[in-house]
Amino acid sequence: GNSVTQMEGPVTLSEEAFLTINCTYTATGYPSLFWYVQYPGEGLQLLLKATKADDKGSNKGFEATYRKETTSFHLEKGSVQVSDSAVYFCALSGFNKFYFGSGTKLNVKP
Amino acid sequence: KAGVTQTPRYLIKTRGQQVTLSCSPISGHRSVSWYQQTPGQGLQFLFEYFSETQRNKGNFPGRFSGRQFSNSRSEMNVSTLELGDSALYLCASSPEGGSVPPGYTFGSGTRLTVV
Repeated sequence: GNSVTQMEGPVTLSEEAFLTINCTYTATGYPSLFWYVQYPGEGLQLLLKATKADDKGSNKGFEATYRKETTSFHLEKGSVQVSDSAVYFCALSGFNKFYFGSGTKLNVKP
Repeated sequence: KAGVTQTPRYLIKTRGQQVTLSCSPISGHRSVSWYQQTPGQGLQFLFEYFSETQRNKGNFPGRFSGRQFSNSRSEMNVSTLELGDSALYLCASSPEGGSVPPGYTFGSGTRLTVV
């Protein structure tokens, strides 16, 4: 079946630190992979996506590469800001629905 | 372009009551999906509607139901509310379905509290 596993949070970083949030998946077929971000009191916003192996999704300084050989889609950012504090969800699509990871809370301190 | 609109934003209901939540998708989007988000269970898929037909369903009891109208607006209904139904209910729309790019656009959710 399809599933997504994310690293446990919370992750606490200082401003301008390097961010990695690990995401691995199990899937049948060739799903698309997504990262969504959720700010307090809000719904989920699409951060980036990749639709096939070796694709790199990027947005607002965040990047993730679809690695079929390691079944991974790790989220990275070179220099985080306080405004990046939020919950990040990795997801894969299949059978007309998404399979979400449990979410990783990121706290960025000034 | 207007986003996905969910109403109401907040709702407080008593155990045993029923509730109806509404979702207006982005214009032109034919697929609407519903998710329940709780701290313990995370995001769980409820169901997906496409062109007024339920196309996919998650593992929720029959108390949870939904429908979609000809203008793609969707409602979900929960009958005989239980304390455990307290959650953020998220609606997501997409042109053809979540698995097809560009994927989902989510609304801000309806926060349901059952007392």
